[in-house]
Amino acid sequence: GAGVSQSPSNKVTEKGKDVELRCDPISGHTALYWYRQRLGQGLEFLIYFQGNSAPDKSGLPSDRFSAERTGESVSTLTIQRTQQEDSAVYLCASSLEVSGRYNEQFFGPGTRLTVL
Amino acid sequence: KQEVTQIPAALSVPEGENLVLNCSFTDSAIYNLQWFRQDPGKGLTSLLLIQSSQREQTSGRLNASLDKSSGRSTLYIAASQPGDSATYLCAVNYNQGGKLIFGQGTELSVKP
Repeated sequence: GAGVSQSPSNKVTEKGKDVELRCDPISGHTALYWYRQRLGQGLEFLIYFQGNSAPDKSGLPSDRFSAERTGESVSTLTIQRTQQEDSAVYLCASSLEVSGRYNEQFFGPGTRLTVL
Repeated sequence: KQEVTQIPAALSVPEGENLVLNCSFTDSAIYNLQWFRQDPGKGLTSLLLIQSSQREQTSGRLNASLDKSSGRSTLYIAASQPGDSATYLCAVNYNQGGKLIFGQGTELSVKP
C-alpha cells in the first residue's frame, strides 16, 4: 500500500513569508508525528496527533509554528514569518496505535525548506 | 535529560565484513527502540523495532539487540554490501506520547 507522502518535496521561500507543509499518513494510521532535521543535526520532535486527543505540541520551537490534522488523515504544518534558522528537512511519520501501545513509525520522504 | 548517543559517528568497511553499530540511552525506562536507515536526501526507512520486553529482533542480515539495564542497543549487519551504505539512526520511545528521541546517527560506507 501507499506509504507516507509529503508535499512539496522542496520549498524555497523568503524570510518573513509563511509556508505550509502537507503530510498524508498511511491510511488507517491513527497517530501522526512531525519532526525536523536541521543540517548536521539530529531529528527533533515537533508535534504529535493521536485520534481525537489534544495534540502534544511540546516540541514546537516557537509560536510561529502550528499544525493541524483533519480527523485521522491529512496534516499541515504552518510556519509563519519564516526565519533562516527554520531551514531544515521537515519529516512526517505515522503509526498505528491501539490502546495506548506505540508501534513502529513510518516516515515520509520529507520537505526540504530553504529560507533565504 | 533523556539522550541517545550513537558511536561511531562514521564507519568505513570493506565489502563482506560483519559490523556492529552502537546506540546508548541515558534513561533505561524505555518503551521501545527503533533502528532506521537514511539515504542521502531521502526520508527514513524503518529497519527493526524492539519492544522493551524483547532482547533482540532479526530481519535478514540485520540483528538488533537491546539491553535496558545497561542502556544499550546494537545493530549487527552481517556480510555487509555496498548497498548498505547509508546513515543508521537509533531512536528511543519513552512512552511520552509516542515521540521518538533520536541519536545523531552513524554514517556507514561499505567499499566494494
